[in-house]
Amino acid sequence: GAGVSQSPSNKVTEKGKDVELRCDPISGHTALYWYRQSLGQGLEFLIYFQGNSAPDKSGLPSDRFSAERTGGSVSTLTIQRTQQEDSAVYLCASSYRTDNGYTFGSGTRLTVV
Amino acid sequence: LAKTTQPISMDSYEGQEVNITCSHNNIATNDYITWYQQFPSQGPRFIIQGYKTKVTNEVASLFIPADRKSSTLSLPRVSLSDTAVYYCLVGEKNYGQNFVFGPGTRLSVLP
Repeated sequence: GAGVSQSPSNKVTEKGKDVELRCDPISGHTALYWYRQSLGQGLEFLIYFQGNSAPDKSGLPSDRFSAERTGGSVSTLTIQRTQQEDSAVYLCASSYRTDNGYTFGSGTRLTVV
Repeated sequence: LAKTTQPISMDSYEGQEVNITCSHNNIATNDYITWYQQFPSQGPRFIIQGYKTKVTNEVASLFIPADRKSSTLSLPRVSLSDTAVYYCLVGEKNYGQNFVFGPGTRLSVLP
C-alpha cells in the first residue's frame, strides 16, 4: 500500500489478557519504529528495527512488551498481561531515509478495561 | 539526543502568519532539525527538515540561525485546518535515528 497500515484500529481488552498489534510498513522501508501516545501526551519511543540489525529495545517499558519484525517487513507488538496503564494509542512508523522523515500509521487505540 | 523546548500552546487567527520557535541549546554538529504536525486521531506527519539557514517547501519555512541553538517554523496564512500539535525534533540525519518527541506546541487557529 501507499502508507503505513496498522491493525486493528481499535482494541478493547480485559486486564490481564495478551494483545497483538500489527504494523505493515511502506514497501522498501528498512527502518520501523513503534511509539506510544497516551491521551494528550507526546510520543514515547518503544522500539526500533533497522534492517537485519538487532532492534533497539531501549524504550520498552517492561518485559511484558515485546516486538518482532518478520522478513524485514511486517512487525507485531505484543503486550502480555495487559494493565490499565497500557491504554494508549500505539503508533508505528517507517522510513527509508530521514530526508523526508518518518511516515506514521494512524495507530491502534488500545483500551484496557 | 538534544533536548528541545517549545511553547505548549499558541493561538492565531485565520490568514495570519504563525511562527513557532523551538530551543535546542545542546544541538550537536551532526544534528538536523525536523518538524512534524499531528491532527487528532492521526499519526504525526513530516512537515520540514533543515540543518542551517532557511528551508522552504510548499507547506512551511524553517529558519535556523547561525548558532543553530534555536529554529523557527513559519506557517504562512494559516487556516482552521492548520489547528494541530507541532513537534520539533533534533537528531542525526542517519536514517533510522529514533528521534525523541516532546509534548509539542498545540496551535489553535481561530476564525
